[in-house]
Amino acid sequence: DVKVTQSSRYLVKRTGEKVFLECVQDMDHENMFWYRQDPGLGLRLIYFSYDVKMKEKGDIPEGYSVSREKKERFSLILESASTNQTSMYLCASSFSTVTYEQYFGPGTRLTVT
Amino acid sequence: AQSVAQPEDQVNVAEGNPLTVKCTYSVSGNPYLFWYVQYPNRGLQFLLKYITGDNLVKGSYGFEAEFNKSQTSFHLKKPSALVSDSALYFCAVRDMDGAGGYNKLIFGAGTRLAVHP
Repeated sequence: DVKVTQSSRYLVKRTGEKVFLECVQDMDHENMFWYRQDPGLGLRLIYFSYDVKMKEKGDIPEGYSVSREKKERFSLILESASTNQTSMYLCASSFSTVTYEQYFGPGTRLTVT
Repeated sequence: AQSVAQPEDQVNVAEGNPLTVKCTYSVSGNPYLFWYVQYPNRGLQFLLKYITGDNLVKGSYGFEAEFNKSQTSFHLKKPSALVSDSALYFCAVRDMDGAGGYNKLIFGAGTRLAVHP
């Protein structure tokens, strides 16, 4: 089974703090994704990566950055956390083949106070 | 622009009755369509997908989905609902636009399914 793990299930940070969310997958997937999930808005793509050191902006990249130094690890960074970044953050990975389905981690619920 | 819509915020069904969760899409070219389920405080789990072939796709946990090209729909169905099916369901379509677009999915807003005993 594909396993995608995220470093924290729950996280509470203060406004202005730098926040790191880590994601690791064990299936040698080329593609990795960061989403945020908010009620009524579904999943919105923040950033994705299709190879090591490669990254592309998604639909809502403002206030976020990412890092992918190794194939299995994709980090989301909030440079200066703000209260409007309080959300559920989901990491996913997939192969670059015709299968296309993404496999998700359990999510990190981030609260910024 | 490509998009997917889930017209119902919530669907209520009695246990044992059939259920349908609706999804419509708008894409250029042939659609690749997906259904995911999210149980409380969990990540999304893949249920099923349509790439090509039979319009009726069978997936996990007894779910199936029917692809209808003329109606641009991909509704999720189950013949007999269980209380344990209560969850949030997301429809998604492959995004063909942009850099690496073939690897991205566009998700609907989600439909909450409540199955009552």
